[in-house]
Amino acid sequence: KNQVEQSPQSLIILEGKNCTLQCNYTVSPFSNLRWYKQDTGRGPVSLTIMTFSENTKSNGRYTATLDADTKQSSLHITASQLSDSASYICVVSARYGGATNKLIFGTGTLLAVQP
Amino acid sequence: DAGITQSPRYKITETGRQVTLMCHQTWSHSYMFWYRQDLGHGLRLIYYSAAADITDKGEVPDGYVVSRSKTENFPLTLESATRSQTSVYFCASSESGGWNTEAFFGQGTRLTVV
Repeated sequence: KNQVEQSPQSLIILEGKNCTLQCNYTVSPFSNLRWYKQDTGRGPVSLTIMTFSENTKSNGRYTATLDADTKQSSLHITASQLSDSASYICVVSARYGGATNKLIFGTGTLLAVQP
Repeated sequence: DAGITQSPRYKITETGRQVTLMCHQTWSHSYMFWYRQDLGHGLRLIYYSAAADITDKGEVPDGYVVSRSKTENFPLTLESATRSQTSVYFCASSESGGWNTEAFFGQGTRLTVV
């Protein structure tokens, strides 16, 4: 069964600190892995998209890593800011026959950054 | 404003009523999607559309109907709302359904069925 599991479920950190969120997946055939940020009451917004051959991808203070062998990904946030408080969702795209990929969503890690 | 917009943002309806959630995008994206988000679940695909007049079922289509007569609009109808359809609904669009295509999400509609 295609699954995406994220840990921890929730996390509280102090402003300025770093943190790392984890994502494990069992999705086949793998196409790509995405990290989304979802602010409370808003839709998800893409942070990174990583293909099979990419190990690391950065977007400002966000750095995503991918180990396709162990089927694990992480999202590292550097020098956290209050505005980083959100849910971070790991999404794996599975490639099926035809033109449309299927997105499998994790349940997210809820991050709270405190002053 | 350009982008993808959903309406209404909030809706309360009674069991058995028909309700339609609207989604409009200004990018002329071919693909549009409807997801629902519930506590303890990741977003789950209800229906998607590859182009005008082409729709297909997702993971949880029962109780929902979609149409796509124009590229920019993709309404979702609950024909007879049930309490289990209380959820937050997100519409998304993308240029294609391909493996590396970015998906853009609307701000969501919070639906409560009482």
